[in-house]
Amino acid sequence: DTAVSQTPKYLVTQMGNDKSIKCEQNLGHDTMYWYKQDSKKFLKIMFSYNNKELIINETVPNRFSPKSPDKAHLNLHINSLELGDSAVYFCASSQEGAWTGELFFGEGSRLTVL
Amino acid sequence: LAKTTQPISMDSYEGQEVNITCSHNNIATNDYITWYQQFPSQGPRFIIQGYKTKVTNEVASLFIPADRKSSTLSLPRVSLSDTAVYYCLVGDLRRALTFGSGTRLQVQP
Repeated sequence: DTAVSQTPKYLVTQMGNDKSIKCEQNLGHDTMYWYKQDSKKFLKIMFSYNNKELIINETVPNRFSPKSPDKAHLNLHINSLELGDSAVYFCASSQEGAWTGELFFGEGSRLTVL
Repeated sequence: LAKTTQPISMDSYEGQEVNITCSHNNIATNDYITWYQQFPSQGPRFIIQGYKTKVTNEVASLFIPADRKSSTLSLPRVSLSDTAVYYCLVGDLRRALTFGSGTRLQVQP
């Protein structure tokens, strides 16, 4: 069983479209994250959710919005896609209560905006 | 944020010990130091974490000097399958956990 799963794995779309990436974790963790990895391989945190509350929100355009229907899911919605949004997006989770620094990552979703 | 600095790349041969050093001069008192490994087309995977002195697990050792301004990940007897990007991460849950550009390790036969 995959601990952190993301869908879709690949996504190709046109500028201006709206798209979503879904993430689910079956580890029972309290906190989930979205990261963006650009072409230079920098992994930048975008959001994290703990018990349905946004606890970290870096300087991300408001076109990006996380949606968490429950603590096992954190979906990423992107409106009005731009060329610069092309990247690999990783979902991750951790157990805040037993914080050991270990983040569990999904396999990534490669977004290409044409 | 505790910014980290690592070498961009390193080369090694199978069977050698590899040491990757990370600088984090403005590390905070509550920060832990964590290392991750990432293979192409995969998410990063946790390797080891420490706060001070030395930590060892089944895959690596982590050396942290008393001032904690740097740390060294040590991989004993690397193999071809250790070819990957290694990230040093400093922080705690309540702070932005941004990874640096990492160190690309290439292991050759």
